[in-house]
Amino acid sequence: GQQVMQIPQYQHVQEGEDFTTYCNSSTTLSNIQWYKQRPGGHPVFLIQLVKSGEVKKQKRLTFQFGEAKKNSSLHITATQTTDVGTYFCAGRKFQGAQKLVFGQGTRLTINP
Amino acid sequence: GAVVSQHPSWVICKSGTSVKIECRSLDFQATTMFWYRQFPKQSLMLMATSNEGSKATYEQGVEKDKFLINHASLTLSTLTVTSAHPEDSSFYICSAFTAISYEQYFGPGTRLTVT
Repeated sequence: GQQVMQIPQYQHVQEGEDFTTYCNSSTTLSNIQWYKQRPGGHPVFLIQLVKSGEVKKQKRLTFQFGEAKKNSSLHITATQTTDVGTYFCAGRKFQGAQKLVFGQGTRLTINP
Repeated sequence: GAVVSQHPSWVICKSGTSVKIECRSLDFQATTMFWYRQFPKQSLMLMATSNEGSKATYEQGVEKDKFLINHASLTLSTLTVTSAHPEDSSFYICSAFTAISYEQYFGPGTRLTVT
C-alpha cells in the first residue's frame, strides 16, 4: 500500500536556528498537505501543495512539493518557541481521493 | 468557518464498558467523516471512513464489531468503542470532509482512558 515516510522523527534546535522536515511517498501524490499538532492538541491544517515543483511561503515557513510529486519539505527559518509541536505531512494518492495518508511526523522541540 | 466539534473531550471508563464519541461539523455539511486513532508520540492512523447513510469502510486490522460507526446525518458521526479494554486507551480524532473546499477539518480529539 501507499506509504508516506517522514524524517527526522525528532529534531531539537536552539531558538533562532532553522528547521527542516522531509516527506517522501512511495507513489506519486495528487497533492500533499502539512499539519501542525501542538502537544495535547489536534492537527491543524497549515497548507496544501498541488502542483509539481510548487513552493509556498507562510511568513517563516516555506513548503515545497517535488517535481515528481513524491516528496515534500517544510522549512522553518529562525525558529521561535511557538513553533514547538509535531509536523505531519499527509498525501492524497490521486485526484478525487478523500483519504489522507499521514507521515509519521517530526517532533520539534526548541531550547529558548 | 469549518469548525468540527467532538464530545466528550476526554473520558475515563472501566474495562468492559462501551463509550460513544460524537463528531459534529458545526457550520458545514460533511459528505464524509474520518475516524483516526493516535497513540502517544505516534502518527494518526486511519480507522474508518464514514459516509452519511451508508456503512463505514474500515481499514485493515480495525474490528468493525468493536468500533461501531454511525453516520446519521451530514453533520454527525459517532464512534462507539464496545467492550473497551485498556489497550483501547488512545486519542481518537475525527475529521469532516467537505467537497466544497475538498478539505478535511479535524475535531479537537477525545482522549479515552480505559481502567
